[in-house]
Amino acid sequence: DTGVSQDPRHKITKRGQNVTFRCDPISEHNRLYWYRQTLGQGPEFLTYFQNEAQLEKSRLLSDRFSAERPKGSFSTLEIQRTEQGDSAMYLCASSLGGFMNTEAFFGQGTRLTVV
Amino acid sequence: ILNVEQSPQSLHVQEGDSTNFTCSFPSSNFYALHWYRWETAKSPEALFVMTLNGDEKKKGRISATLNTKEGYSYLYIKGSQPEDSATYLCAFGTRDDKIIFGKGTRLHILP
Repeated sequence: DTGVSQDPRHKITKRGQNVTFRCDPISEHNRLYWYRQTLGQGPEFLTYFQNEAQLEKSRLLSDRFSAERPKGSFSTLEIQRTEQGDSAMYLCASSLGGFMNTEAFFGQGTRLTVV
Repeated sequence: ILNVEQSPQSLHVQEGDSTNFTCSFPSSNFYALHWYRWETAKSPEALFVMTLNGDEKKKGRISATLNTKEGYSYLYIKGSQPEDSATYLCAFGTRDDKIIFGKGTRLHILP
């Protein structure tokens, strides 16, 4: 399978616990994006990488969130001290070059439920 | 604040009928307009990426038009089929590389 894969698909965690999600983009894609989608909303931008460099972080991304892409390949998104408001679908996408005029390829997402 | 509006929010269409829905976006700072189809339990899948005013793109029974001067795009589906049931997302790309998604139009095809 050469698409974008995300792991895990589902995660249930207790409030206050830390969680980490992984995204494996399409191998030749230099750009990797993280989005969050809550019920009734479109995907909201969180952060993106060009190769291993994190170029932008949304103001939605509080200090409890951190993302890495250490070798410019896979990426991880960690949420520390989870809160109920963190419950959402976390989507990863990758593209070759800028997302502005090339299509992005999305993973199936990780659905996080904080109880 | 850049805002992308999609209407309607939800739509029920009889199988075989044609339908269309709208994406409105700010006409300033425009770079690209993307349409994605998101089926339940699957990944969002790109349908079209459009950059030029007046662009029309077609993929099978689905087509899209773009008006960057007035800030809207239409997505058309001809002869709806059950497999067209999905959420259709549009995303507005700006010159400074920001992408803003709309909330989507949820399309339900009735047999």
